[in-house]
Amino acid sequence: AQKVTQAQTEISVVEKEDVTLDCVYETRDTTYYLFWYKQPPSGELVFLIRRNSFDEQNEISGRYSWNFQKSTSSFNFTITASQVVDSAVYFCALSEAAGNKLTFGGGTRVLVKP
Amino acid sequence: DAEITQSPRHKITETGRQVTLACHQTWNHNNMFWYRQDLGHGLRLIHYSYGVHDTNKGEVSDGYSVSRSNTEDLPLTLESAASSQTSVYFCASSQASPGGGTQYFGPGTRLTVL
Repeated sequence: AQKVTQAQTEISVVEKEDVTLDCVYETRDTTYYLFWYKQPPSGELVFLIRRNSFDEQNEISGRYSWNFQKSTSSFNFTITASQVVDSAVYFCALSEAAGNKLTFGGGTRVLVKP
Repeated sequence: DAEITQSPRHKITETGRQVTLACHQTWNHNNMFWYRQDLGHGLRLIHYSYGVHDTNKGEVSDGYSVSRSNTEDLPLTLESAASSQTSVYFCASSQASPGGGTQYFGPGTRLTVL
């Protein structure tokens, strides 16, 4: 069975600090997909990134960056120079190659204080 | 613009009543999913469908049913609502592809069972 663990339930930072969210996954599949979603206080789920298991290249998108390490089954997410608008719950998720069903981690709440 | 909508956005019902939550997408996606979100559990899969007349049980399907009569809609029915089904419900859809498509989520329905 697949499992996603986000050990940090809540992180509080001051604006402009960097924050890294940990995500550790378990799967027996050799082909799988990893995702990050953002849930702002308004409640909707916003897609941030999708990464397949064969692509370990790190990715940067503006102030967001992702570090995928198959050797440690981790897909960590860093927000650089955090802003108040980054305050949200962030979910890491895993899907098998066939079927596309998502298994979510418990989420990490990020609070960015001005 | 293509979108995915859910209705109602908020619902209060009584124990034992039948409740149906609507999900409608205009992406023309084959795959549709229902999740529930509870504190401490992240999102958990209830039911999913890969196309018209196809339905499958997810991790927490007891007490729920779905039917898929067209591509656009996947209504979720609680046969006899229980207080344990108080939750926020999210519908999602994705394109069918060999590697699995990215799921896009509706705005959610907050259901309270008294």
